Amino acid sequence: GIQVEQSPPDLILQEGANSTLRCNFSDSVNNLQWFHQNPWGQLINLFYIPSGTKQNGRLSATTVATERYSLLYISSSQTTDSGVYFCAVCPQGGKLIFGQGTELSVKP
Amino acid sequence: DTAVSQTPKYLVTQMGNDKSIKCEQNLGHDTMYWYKQDSKKFLKIMFSYNNKELIINETVPNRFSPKSPDKAHLNLHINSLELGDSAVYFCASSQEYTGELFFGEGSRLTVL
Repeated sequence: GIQVEQSPPDLILQEGANSTLRCNFSDSVNNLQWFHQNPWGQLINLFYIPSGTKQNGRLSATTVATERYSLLYISSSQTTDSGVYFCAVCPQGGKLIFGQGTELSVKP
Repeated sequence: DTAVSQTPKYLVTQMGNDKSIKCEQNLGHDTMYWYKQDSKKFLKIMFSYNNKELIINETVPNRFSPKSPDKAHLNLHINSLELGDSAVYFCASSQEYTGELFFGEGSRLTVL
């Protein structure tokens, strides 16, 4: 089956810093999503981005489907950005598979 | 107005008991799911229903039985609970099978 790898597994940032999270996948996909799981456990949709680039405030994401990766950019990080960021992909005719997540901690 | 809602949010019970978790979505989506998140935060799909029909049934013990009375509801019943069933169970929905997924707030199950 498809493999989904996220890096780095853990990240500690000072408030105000920028970061890039990466998601590599091993096969063609027709769906890719980024989620943020906040410290209270809620899973929040960030982006639905099978290809291209999208921006939402301080966050943006780019998926290069032909090269099988996606990047999530967080600029001017805030303590409320802390939590786990998941990438999830859906191969053709398959089901959504999650990566293992990147645990982000933003220090004040 | 909550899009995907689950009840209860917390459930503490003894081994051997039977429990249910309910899920409702008001997004008008056709597909609903149950995911399990283990202690290492790994999310794994358990079941998926499309218009009340089971389309994904991963390798889970048959003590777990989903039921979809209509396309807005997907409930999860668990018989003879075991310690290893302790986890957070998330309900989710999407417009179509591979579409954008929206999660409920999760139900934390603790089996003592």
